[in-house]
Amino acid sequence: QSVLTQPPSVSAAPGQKVTISCSGSSSNIGNNYVSWYQHLPGTAPKLLIYDNDKRPSGIPDRFSGSKSGTSATLGITGLQTGDEADYYCGTWDSSLSAGVFGGGTKLTVL
Amino acid sequence: EVQLLESGGGLVQPGGSLRLSCAASGFTFSSIAMSWVRQAPGKGLEWISGISPSGSGTYYADSVKGRFTISRDNSKNTVILQMNSLRVEDTAIYYCAKCGGPMVKQSSDHWGQGTLVTVSS
Repeated sequence: QSVLTQPPSVSAAPGQKVTISCSGSSSNIGNNYVSWYQHLPGTAPKLLIYDNDKRPSGIPDRFSGSKSGTSATLGITGLQTGDEADYYCGTWDSSLSAGVFGGGTKLTVL
Repeated sequence: EVQLLESGGGLVQPGGSLRLSCAASGFTFSSIAMSWVRQAPGKGLEWISGISPSGSGTYYADSVKGRFTISRDNSKNTVILQMNSLRVEDTAIYYCAKCGGPMVKQSSDHWGQGTLVTVSS
């Protein structure tokens, strides 16, 4: 059971937009920055969004992040088949003094 | 270019020990916090441990607290994860991750390719 809650899967057609939610509490998302990662099994996870809404260099602006209260959202526009992957939200939990991840969301581009 | 290279994974019996290493390059290692994250077969990412730049601050997930120890050698740009009392449920790919700055709570902006740990009799 993950501390952060994500939908197990989302899907959309190429070119469309999808959002992935991440729900937490005041001890984690509510008082800490959220990051988002893209992970293809067998490869190194890739940072997509940090500090709630910032993109590292090289990440296209099709990827966006937002946070409100104890929830965060990853948005992906102009979906491509190459975007099919698992997506994870992550943050720090001040009560646990530990990092926490969501359970992951599998994105299918139909 | 940032590079993180994990080593030390392998097959170990329940109750055994294993020592993972992560060799880092391409950044000022002694100024950056580091973390270990794992992924068990068919499961999601799990943060397990982090260490401050000086090594004075260490943090652990409840699932490994008391069994795993994280440390670093800034003279060798290496972070170590000593894993004792291993359990079958510790079977996973273990990733070394570079934090975005001096605090463990910061996001992980670079990751290694991972090393596989299998705990089985």
